[in-house]
Amino acid sequence: ETGVTQTPRHLVMGMTNKKSLKCEQHLGHNAMYWYKQSAKKPLELMFVYNFKEQTENNSVPSRFSPECPNSSHLFLHLHTLQPEDSALYLCASSQLNRDRYSPLHFGNGTRLTVT
Amino acid sequence: QKEVEQNSGPLSVPEGAIASLNCTYSDRGSQSFFWYRQYSGKSPELIMSIYSNGDKEDGRFTAQLNKASQYVSLLIRDSQPSDSATYLCAASREGRRALTFGSGTRLQVQP
Repeated sequence: ETGVTQTPRHLVMGMTNKKSLKCEQHLGHNAMYWYKQSAKKPLELMFVYNFKEQTENNSVPSRFSPECPNSSHLFLHLHTLQPEDSALYLCASSQLNRDRYSPLHFGNGTRLTVT
Repeated sequence: QKEVEQNSGPLSVPEGAIASLNCTYSDRGSQSFFWYRQYSGKSPELIMSIYSNGDKEDGRFTAQLNKASQYVSLLIRDSQPSDSATYLCAASREGRRALTFGSGTRLQVQP
């Protein structure tokens, strides 16, 4: 496989459920990201991991819990979500270096519906 | 004030015309700029990156950057119906490890 792979593609969960989103990148990048995309709103950065270390947490509620066991895998654990958390969740990766910011490569996303 | 602003559109152009998409940003420290295309129900895909003032051309696409005016644009020549999508402008600054995105401009190319 190439690129950035996300599973599942679609997820419907109740407010009391616990579920996890998975992301894997095959690009050899050293940084991974979670973004949230809601209708008619800009992409919102949630978390950034660089070499497995979380370097940014953009004031995300604790019901979202990220995990990055290595530089190729990223998870987003979900529990007691609210209906307003329904959105497209996008994983991305990039190669961070000193000289220049490299662009993000996105996975296909997980369409989450909270009922 | 939004960090990256785009007109939401839709911008409607006839097939074969030039589509001009515009973006402004508020952070003068922004250094790198990107245009992504997003088809409905799909994830964003990178079209262009631009880092210095001036024009950068890639096939039918030209990105333009004016840091003094804090303005980025994307021109699409010979627009095709397959170019119909939402175009996202994104900016980054040194020291920040993630991009800031605009809300996107929806482009419709009429056959």
